Amino acid sequence: AQKITQTQPGMFVQEKEAVTLDCTYDTSDQSYGLFWYKQPSSGEMIFLIYQGSYDEQNATEGRYSLNFQKARKSANLVISASQLGDSAMYFCAMSALSGYNKLIFGAGTRLAVHP
Amino acid sequence: DSGVTQTPKHLITATGQRVTLRCSPRSGDLSVYWYQQSLDQGLQFLIQYYNGEERAKGNILERFSAQQFPDLHSELNLSSLELGDSALYFCASSSGWGTSGPRAYNEQFFGPGTRLTVL
Repeated sequence: AQKITQTQPGMFVQEKEAVTLDCTYDTSDQSYGLFWYKQPSSGEMIFLIYQGSYDEQNATEGRYSLNFQKARKSANLVISASQLGDSAMYFCAMSALSGYNKLIFGAGTRLAVHP
Repeated sequence: DSGVTQTPKHLITATGQRVTLRCSPRSGDLSVYWYQQSLDQGLQFLIQYYNGEERAKGNILERFSAQQFPDLHSELNLSSLELGDSALYFCASSSGWGTSGPRAYNEQFFGPGTRLTVL
């Protein structure tokens, strides 16, 4: 079985600063994918970044990077130069072949960016 | 815009009723996933279809059913609705090849969701 844990229910950051959102996972699969999604107040789920379990380099997508530490089973999201529009819920998720690639989500972290 | 469409956007109905939620995946995507987001349960996987066939089931109630049609759109049917069924229902699609393929865990793109309110 797979499990995602996000221990930070809420975080706040000053505009233009960097912030790290924590995510740990548990799985017995050797091959899996880790994802971060953003959910603004409007409700849609926006894909941000992906990391494969065999990828040696940390994934980056613009201001988003994923700090992947396989031995520690962590996949933290780093947002650099925060913007007011980054205020939203952020979900960490994973999928694995054994689970038919369904996404298992964490409880989410609500990020508030202050001017 | 993810390319995934869902209708209707909002649905208000009464307990005991039946509703159908519709999803059109991104062009070329063969996999469709349904998720339920509620305040008490969070985001939960319900069911997956791949090219018309059911592939995986999650915490889907027996009162709920789904199908994927030859044109790859999918419908989620919810019957004998209860107050606790009120939630945001998402459809997501991916180009995944089911349980194998070069990128078997590729990203899923979500539709805007259908907000169901059961009164």
